[in-house]
Amino acid sequence: NAGVTQTPKFQVLKTGQSMTLQCAQDMNHNSMYWYRQDPGMGLRLIYYSASEGTTDKGEVPNGYNVSRLNKREFSLRLESAAPSQTSVYFCASREGGTKETQYFGPGTRLLVL
Amino acid sequence: RKEVEQDPGPFNVPEGATVAFNCTYSNSASQSFFWYRQDCRKEPKLLMSVYSSGNEDGRFTAQLNRASQYISLLIRDSKLSDSATYLCVVISFSNDYKLSFGAGTTVTVRA
Repeated sequence: NAGVTQTPKFQVLKTGQSMTLQCAQDMNHNSMYWYRQDPGMGLRLIYYSASEGTTDKGEVPNGYNVSRLNKREFSLRLESAAPSQTSVYFCASREGGTKETQYFGPGTRLLVL
Repeated sequence: RKEVEQDPGPFNVPEGATVAFNCTYSNSASQSFFWYRQDCRKEPKLLMSVYSSGNEDGRFTAQLNRASQYISLLIRDSKLSDSATYLCVVISFSNDYKLSFGAGTTVTVRA
């Protein structure tokens, strides 16, 4: 039981390049989330998926797109990376309903030059 | 104004000491409260929920003050392994169970 996994762990991009961050969970959770964490800012929600087949914008969605591929997988895509997107990205999942606890993946460290 | 605010610290304390810190939240409709722990360059993990009457989990005590809109965390008999960043987290059910995070309070326990 791996919990929440993310790939890649590290990535360096040039401005304007695109990439997809992958996230998968094996806990049969309904809800999944993408956050970014910047120094002094706390974690900020980019997008979330309350259930398979639905996605919604969070606090900072600009420059990102997401796909809830199936119940297990929730990917985050940067179409044209910018230096302001340099950050640590965390994926999380939650069982759903009234279950509040979110479980986080190990994070992806992204540097955009 | 940020929805959740924390004193960033750092709080540097010797082993065995007691350390306490607060977190304030701005949304009076907030309904669930948590402390998460984040070790350096790792993912956040749930430390404990915060209940209205206050609650303990071993050496950790969490309190909620709804009137003044803050929660607190107290660590007794600090261990070296308690060194981490502690994230205050708030949920408003009207907000689709989305978590609102504070920026974290860093605690360093020294030998």
